[in-house]
Amino acid sequence: GQNIDQPTEMTATEGAIVQINCTYQTSGFNGLFWYQQHAGEAPTFLSYNVLDGLEEKGRFSSFLSRSKGYSYLLLKELQMKDSASYLCVPMDSNYQLIWGAGTKLIIKP
Amino acid sequence: NAGVTQTPKFQVLKTGQSMTLQCAQDMNHEYMSWYRQDPGMGLRLIHYSVGAGITDQGEVPNGYNVSRSTTEDFPLRLLSAAPSQTSVYFCASSYSHCSSGANVLTFGAGSRLTVL
Repeated sequence: GQNIDQPTEMTATEGAIVQINCTYQTSGFNGLFWYQQHAGEAPTFLSYNVLDGLEEKGRFSSFLSRSKGYSYLLLKELQMKDSASYLCVPMDSNYQLIWGAGTKLIIKP
Repeated sequence: NAGVTQTPKFQVLKTGQSMTLQCAQDMNHEYMSWYRQDPGMGLRLIHYSVGAGITDQGEVPNGYNVSRSTTEDFPLRLLSAAPSQTSVYFCASSYSHCSSGANVLTFGAGSRLTVL
């Protein structure tokens, strides 16, 4: 079957760095997305990886290892507004997105 | 540029009633989809469309109908509401479905539906 494994919840301190790990199993692979979802709001796109390696976008970076079925999202210089759920979303060989419950990140002052 | 517009934002129905959730996008996106999100669960795909006149079932289609008569609009119809359909519904669109880099979804703000 297809599945995603992310921690349910993480806590970090304002100004610090946090890494959210994701392992996945899919039928084929056509890339992996990270979305951010604030409570009561819709998901918004953060990053997309299709090749192995690190993609950096401001304070956020995303890493992919296809051979290990592994990705992480790195958030630097954490701000209170980063409190949200982070969704690791791989895409299978049929271009279907596989959604999990995500990781709820709590930022403390 | 409005993006993806969903209406209504909130709705309360009685069991057995029918209703339509509206979704419109102004980005000329080919692909449109409807998801439901329940507490502690990932998004689940209800129906999707890869272009005007074409619709297909997702993971949880039972109890819902869709149509895609125009590129812009993709309404979701609940035929006979049940308490199990109490959820938050999101409409989402993208330029393409089968081109990896163009699959970034833009979501509507969501519709919170309660069925009593």
